[in-house]
Amino acid sequence: DVKVTQSSRYLVKRTGEKVFLECVQDMDHENMFWYRQDPGLGLRLIYFSYDVKMKEKGDIPEGYSVSREKKERFSLILESASTNQTSMYLCASRTGNRYQPQHFGDGTRLSIL
Amino acid sequence: DQQVKQNSPSLSVQEGRISILNCDYTNSMFDYFLWYKKYPAEGPTFLISISSIKDKNEDGRFTVFLNKSAKHLSLHIVPSQPGDSAVYFCAAKLDSGYALNFGKGTSLLVTP
Repeated sequence: DVKVTQSSRYLVKRTGEKVFLECVQDMDHENMFWYRQDPGLGLRLIYFSYDVKMKEKGDIPEGYSVSREKKERFSLILESASTNQTSMYLCASRTGNRYQPQHFGDGTRLSIL
Repeated sequence: DQQVKQNSPSLSVQEGRISILNCDYTNSMFDYFLWYKKYPAEGPTFLISISSIKDKNEDGRFTVFLNKSAKHLSLHIVPSQPGDSAVYFCAAKLDSGYALNFGKGTSLLVTP
């Protein structure tokens, strides 16, 4: 079974802080993704990475950056947290075959005060 | 602009009956479609998928139907069980893309 692990289930930070969300997968997947889920808006793609050190912007990249130095780990960085970044953040991974499903972690509920 | 639409925010069905969840899309370049189920405080779980070259795919109690001319897909759950109560997301992938476009979800409640 694919295991996608997000480092924190719940996180509370203050505005202006630099926030790191970590995601690790154990299936040697090439592709990794970061989404946020908000009520009434579904899942929206922030960034994805199709290989180590490679990254592409998704639909809502503003205020975020990512890092993928190792294949199994994909980090989402909030450069200067703001209250409108309070959300559920979901990480996913997938093989390099784009006709395979993405597998999700359990999410990080982030609150910015 | 939302390219994948789930127009019913919620659906209530009696146990044992059929649940039908609907999804419409606007981009004819989508070539792979998926359904995910999500319980509160958990990540989405993959349920079933269908390629654009097919019109039906079955997996146990779950069947997905694709009508390309209408740009419509549906998920049928037969028979519905209380454990199926969750939010269901429809997702689609562009033929040239890596990422998925998700709908806003439909909350299914299966009552005993």
